Formats: sequence, structure tokens, C-alpha cells
Amino acid sequence: GDSVTQMEGPVTLSEEAFLTINCTYTATGYPSLFWYVQYPGEGLQLLLKATKADDKGSNKGFEATYRKETTSFHLEKGSVQVSDSAVYFCALHNYGQNFVFGPGTRLSVLP
Amino acid sequence: DAGVIQSPRHEVTEMGQEVTLRCKPISGHNSLFWYRQTMMRGLELLIYFNNNVPIDDSGMPEDRFSAKMPNASFSTLKIQPSEPRDSAVYFCASSSPGTNFAQYFGPGTRLTVT
Repeated sequence: GDSVTQMEGPVTLSEEAFLTINCTYTATGYPSLFWYVQYPGEGLQLLLKATKADDKGSNKGFEATYRKETTSFHLEKGSVQVSDSAVYFCALHNYGQNFVFGPGTRLSVLP
Repeated sequence: DAGVIQSPRHEVTEMGQEVTLRCKPISGHNSLFWYRQTMMRGLELLIYFNNNVPIDDSGMPEDRFSAKMPNASFSTLKIQPSEPRDSAVYFCASSSPGTNFAQYFGPGTRLTVT
């Protein structure tokens, strides 16, 4: 079945550092890909999405590019802030299939 | 537009009691999902509905759990009887083809069973 793999956390960075959270997937066909963010005590929020190969999703300074050749959808941000501290989930959806979430990566940003 | 609404936000109950969690999906969304999140097991899909019909309930842990969706704007997740191991945060989410099937989550209900 379809699956999503994310880099192990926690990831700890200093403010203004560059962020990369790796995400790779296994799926048949052409799934849509998503990144969600969960702040402490809150539900998951859709951060960005991409629906076809080479699409770039972006939001709030975060970006991810749908790379079909490497089956990846890595999340990046050029300069993180303390307020970005959260858990980040990579996910995919194949038409007619269940949504599949990765295990999540906890990010801590230190001032 | 209002997001997914869940109630109550917090529930504390004693073992053996019945618990009912409620969800109102985003208007116009035709799929609804119930998830459970714990530190040990992460995010688990319990059940999902499409056009008010349960499609996949394979994630429902046991017969103590049941879910209904009597109409497009309301769903319940019931646990009877509740046990301490049911303590978790329960999320409801909704989606539609118009969102590219992206799921939109509610704030969750934190359930504590003592």
C-alpha cells in the first residue's frame, strides 16, 4: 500500500537557520502531496500542497516541490522563527484511496 | 467560512461511562474523518464517511466504539463503556474533491478517562 516516510525528529535549530524536513513516499499512480503543521494543543493545519509532478507548494515562507523522479516532497524554509516550533506531517492522497500521513517530525526553534 | 467544529473541547469521565464526541464538518465537504492521536501510537484513522455513508471503519478499535453521520452537517463518535486506554485527543476532519481532497481538521477533543 501507499506509505510516507519522514526524517526522524526532533529537529532543533537556532532562529534564522535554514530548515529542511525530508519526506519520501511510495505510491502507485500520481498522488497529491501535502504538508500539515500541528502547533501545541491544536489540530493539524494544512500548510501547503502539490497535486502534480514539479508543482511547488508554498505558504508562510515554507516551500516543497513534488519530485516524482525521487518520490520526494521535502519541506524547506529559509529562515525559521521560534513560532515555527511545531510538529510537521507529510501526507499523500491517491484518488480512491485513504489519506496517508507520515509519523510527524517535531521541530524546536531556539531563540 | 467556519472551520470544522468539535465539541466538547475537553472531556473527563470515569471508566465505564458513555462518552459522545461531536463534529460539524465544513459546509459543502462530503467526506468526514475521525482520528485518534496519542503519544504512543501517533495519528490513527478510526473511520471515514463519504456522503454520510461509512466507507472504512477498519480502524475502529473494538465494538465499544461507534460512529454515526445522520446528515451532512453532523457526526458523532461514541465510546461505551469508556476505558482509561481510550484517553487521547480525538480529531474530526472533512474534505471534498474541491479541496483536492486536502483534509481540514477541527481543534480536537481531549478525552481523559479515569
